[in-house]
Amino acid sequence: KNEVEQSPQNLTAQEGEFITINCSYSVGISALHWLQQHPGGGIVSLFMLSSGKKKHGRLIATINIQEKHSSLHITASHPRDSAVYICAFVRTTDSWGKLQFGAGTQVVVTP
Amino acid sequence: DTEVTQTPKHLVMGMTNKKSLKCEQHMGHRAMYWYKQKAKKPPELMFVYSYEKLSINESVPSRFSPECPNSSLLNLHLHALQPEDSALYLCASSQDRAGGGSGNTIYFGEGSWLTVV
Repeated sequence: KNEVEQSPQNLTAQEGEFITINCSYSVGISALHWLQQHPGGGIVSLFMLSSGKKKHGRLIATINIQEKHSSLHITASHPRDSAVYICAFVRTTDSWGKLQFGAGTQVVVTP
Repeated sequence: DTEVTQTPKHLVMGMTNKKSLKCEQHMGHRAMYWYKQKAKKPPELMFVYSYEKLSINESVPSRFSPECPNSSLLNLHLHALQPEDSALYLCASSQDRAGGGSGNTIYFGEGSWLTVV
């Protein structure tokens, strides 16, 4: 059984729409990362969350540690938001920083 | 400066070649990582360095040889690779090991696209 489930796999939105990506996990973690990967390859760390909610510009990330669930929201989406969004975490039992990755959500925002 | 810089961005090498990938960060991070990513798959951890010492080798074949000459630099030496080794190689760093309860933010580089012919 996968330790992390990310949904949806693919998402197409029109510019301006509100987007939500979900991440559920089944193990103990101390923090969850939301990452963005553009076609060129590089990964950008958007958020690291251990509780509650964080906001950066049009991006909002929430986490419920008890329910083992996190969401990434994009408000007023824009074509430049088109990318793969990945949730990732390190198990609390792991001392060495091995990230466990979700499968990623391919987001396409059309003008 | 929150950058992890990787060079080269693209590398094509033959199966008998010896080449190296380089990674550099100037954030004072003491943990550095190599990940391998195949198309449409999540990255897979290869190596973890903590305080310039190799801490984790995820059963990576010996044709991949990591080196951490100092706290800012991480190299991946490549020799006698196979076509199936073609992938995106990502370097990452964090203040300290990102494990357990540390909650350290991990910074990734842009990656090096490797093609083995």
